[in-house]
Amino acid sequence: AQSVTQLDSQVPVFEEAPVELRCNYSSSVSVYLFWYVQYPNQGLQLLLKYLSGSTLVESINGFEAEFNKSQTSFHLRKPSVHISDTAEYFCAVSVGGSNYKLTFGKGTLLTVNP
Amino acid sequence: NAGVTQTPKFQVLKTGQSMTLQCAQDMNHEYMSWYRQDPGMGLRLIHYSVGAGITDQGEVPNGYNVSRSTTEDFPLRLLSAAPSQTSVYFCASSYDARYTYEQYFGPGTRLTVT
Repeated sequence: AQSVTQLDSQVPVFEEAPVELRCNYSSSVSVYLFWYVQYPNQGLQLLLKYLSGSTLVESINGFEAEFNKSQTSFHLRKPSVHISDTAEYFCAVSVGGSNYKLTFGKGTLLTVNP
Repeated sequence: NAGVTQTPKFQVLKTGQSMTLQCAQDMNHEYMSWYRQDPGMGLRLIHYSVGAGITDQGEVPNGYNVSRSTTEDFPLRLLSAAPSQTSVYFCASSYDARYTYEQYFGPGTRLTVT
């Protein structure tokens, strides 16, 4: 069975600083990887996804994540964060061929301070 | 197009009471699911459905029932509420079971069991 580990439960940063949210996964087969964002009092939204092809994937609001198969990681990065990026971020994995079930990490709360 | 709607937004139950959390979507999605979100635990899948008349258990199904008589609706029933079921519940849907990562999430129901 697959599992996801988000290494930091909380990450406080100052506005315009770079940030990295770490995610590691375990699976014995090929995987699909995702990052979701949850703004306060809202449901989750898909931020970006890796299915195949280029290992570097980007979102429309400046986040990017890189699939590293040798290190079984899918870390999320942004070079310069804004106050509006304050949210909880969840890494998730789905085993190739069985997209019925997503397995989520426990979440990382990103707080951007002025 | 309302997307995924959930009612109620908040609910307080006493131990042993039963209730139904409502979920509806107007996007003609085949796949629907229920998750619970607890602090530090991420999202855990309770039940899911790949189409009308078809349901299956997720990671934490005990104490919950579901049915899917129509494409639009996917209610979650708590049979005899327990304090351990205090949580935030999210309903989600996607066009097809092959694309569960593209799920649209509802706004959530915050349930407290005393």
